Amino acid sequence: DVKVTQSSRYLVKRTGEKVFLECVQDMDHENMFWYRQDPGLGLRLIYFSYDVKMKEKGDIPEGYSVSREKKERFSLILESASTNQTSMYLCASSLGASGINEQFFGPGTRLTVL
Amino acid sequence: DQQVKQNSPSLSVQEGRISILNCDYTNSMFDYFLWYKKYPAEGPTFLISISSIKDKNEDGRFTVFLNKSAKHLSLHIVPSQPGDSAVYFCAASRTDAGNMLTFGGGTRLMVKP
Repeated sequence: DVKVTQSSRYLVKRTGEKVFLECVQDMDHENMFWYRQDPGLGLRLIYFSYDVKMKEKGDIPEGYSVSREKKERFSLILESASTNQTSMYLCASSLGASGINEQFFGPGTRLTVL
Repeated sequence: DQQVKQNSPSLSVQEGRISILNCDYTNSMFDYFLWYKKYPAEGPTFLISISSIKDKNEDGRFTVFLNKSAKHLSLHIVPSQPGDSAVYFCAASRTDAGNMLTFGGGTRLMVKP
């Protein structure tokens, strides 16, 4: 069974703080993703990584950065948190094989920026 | 501009009846479609998928229909059960960009006992 874990279920931060969201997967997946989920907008891709130290921008990368130093771990960084980054953040992973690969999601981190 | 749209934010159905969730897309390059189910406080889980070479895929109580000419797909749940109450997300992909999914806004399904 694939397991994707996220470091926190709930976080409250202040405007301007640096925020780290951690994600770990235990199935040796090549691909990892960070999404944010907002009402009516579904899941929007922030960044993804297809290999260690590799990263690609998704649809809404502004205000975020990522780090992938190890295959199993993918971190999302908010350099200076703002109130419009209050959201549910979801991490996912998938195999790197060609074709369509199911993405497996973590439980999410609900971030509130005051 | 959203390339995948779920125009009904919510749907209420009686237990035992059919639930029909709809999804429209605009990008004709999409050729693979997935449905995910999300319970509160959990991440989305994969439910069922369909390739554009098919117009129907069935898995137990769940059937997905694809109408390529209309760029429309639907998820049918028969019979609906209270445990099906969740948010359902439609997602689309291109096999030449297989690892990228574009999600719709989601539909909250409530199945009443």
